[in-house]
Amino acid sequence: KQEVTQIPAALSVPEGENLVLNCSFTDSAIYNLQWFRQDPGKGLTSLLLIQSSQREQTSGRLNASLDKSSGRSTLYIAASQPGDSATYLCAVSGSGGGADGLTFGKGTHLIIQP
Amino acid sequence: GAVVSQHPSRVICKSGTSVKIECRSLDFQATTMFWYRQFPKQSLMLMATSNEGSKATYEQGVEKDKFLINHASLTLSTLTVTSAHPEDSSFYICSARFQLLGTTEAFFGQGTRLTVV
Repeated sequence: KQEVTQIPAALSVPEGENLVLNCSFTDSAIYNLQWFRQDPGKGLTSLLLIQSSQREQTSGRLNASLDKSSGRSTLYIAASQPGDSATYLCAVSGSGGGADGLTFGKGTHLIIQP
Repeated sequence: GAVVSQHPSRVICKSGTSVKIECRSLDFQATTMFWYRQFPKQSLMLMATSNEGSKATYEQGVEKDKFLINHASLTLSTLTVTSAHPEDSSFYICSARFQLLGTTEAFFGQGTRLTVV
């Protein structure tokens, strides 16, 4: 059974810092991996999707990498801003492709101090 | 990206009553939708996979008679929590996967906060 772990569970840093969030998964037979942002009491916003054949994806100040063989992904946030404060979730899709639900980690609760 | 709309966003109900939550894909057709549940400080857990025109597939430990899923059209799936009890209080969220550029990306509704009193 796939298990997803996110480290750290919580992180508080001053505004402007670059930071890295970590995600690991136990079964490397994945279809893709997504990073999401969740604000308190809200739904999920998709940030980045990495196909299993890809190594990284970038969107603005966000960069996500994937090392499928070692079961790891990182989300890099450059020049952090108070508006980046949220919970960041990592989720993987099984090798069944679009027919599968996602397996989520517990998330990293991020606070950016002004 | 694709839009998934879920409502209500919040509902409070009395113990023993039933609650229906709707999930719609607004600008695409979704033959498959997914329902998740999230308890405080826990990760989202997949409850069931909703298939248009056929029975839903439930994850281990999820009671199919308690959580009724209907996927009657390509844009609408509903989750009915029957005879709700306080332990069913949770955040329920639906998802649909949209195929784009050779992959399928998951999009989520806004979620429903259910409180059973």
